[in-house]
Amino acid sequence: DVKVTQSSRYLVKRTGEKVFLECVQDMDHENMFWYRQDPGLGLRLIYFSYDVKMKEKGDIPEGYSVSREKKERFSLILESASTNQTSMYLCASSPSKPTDYSPLHFGNGTRLTVT
Amino acid sequence: RKEVEQDPGPFNVPEGATVAFNCTYSNSASQSFFWYRQDCRKEPKLLMSVYSSGNEDGRFTAQLNRASQYISLLIRDSKLSDSATYLCVVRRSSASKIIFGSGTRLSIRP
Repeated sequence: DVKVTQSSRYLVKRTGEKVFLECVQDMDHENMFWYRQDPGLGLRLIYFSYDVKMKEKGDIPEGYSVSREKKERFSLILESASTNQTSMYLCASSPSKPTDYSPLHFGNGTRLTVT
Repeated sequence: RKEVEQDPGPFNVPEGATVAFNCTYSNSASQSFFWYRQDCRKEPKLLMSVYSSGNEDGRFTAQLNRASQYISLLIRDSKLSDSATYLCVVRRSSASKIIFGSGTRLSIRP
């Protein structure tokens, strides 16, 4: 079974803090994703990575950056947390072979509150 | 208009009933299709992929109609544990182009 692990289930941070959300997958997947999910807005893609050191902006990258130094790990960074970044953050991975169209496997989410 | 549209529900049905959801998508370049279920405050979990010929997994049947651009999910003999939000997911031309529907809430009552 694919395992996608997010380092924290719940986080509380103060406005202006730098926040790191970590995600690790154990299935050698090429593709990794960071989403946020908010009531009424559904899942929105923040960043996507298709290989080590490669990244692509999603629909809402503002205020976020990412790092993929190793294939299994994809980090989301909030440079200066703000209250409107309070949300549920979901990491996901998928293989690119035999097809890029495989389903996503999600981690169990990090519920971040910025006060 | 959203690229993937679902009826938000809630669908409130008795245990043992059959319930069906539809999901429409607007981009004909869509390549692959999935149903996920999401329990309250949990992550989405893959329920089933949807294949062109239709596919079944126990009480669940998924259909794809490319001509009319919709997918459907049928749940037979519904159980209390089927209560969840069901997300329609469409994947198209590049690896990052994954579009989620906003979900259909299903509530099964005893």
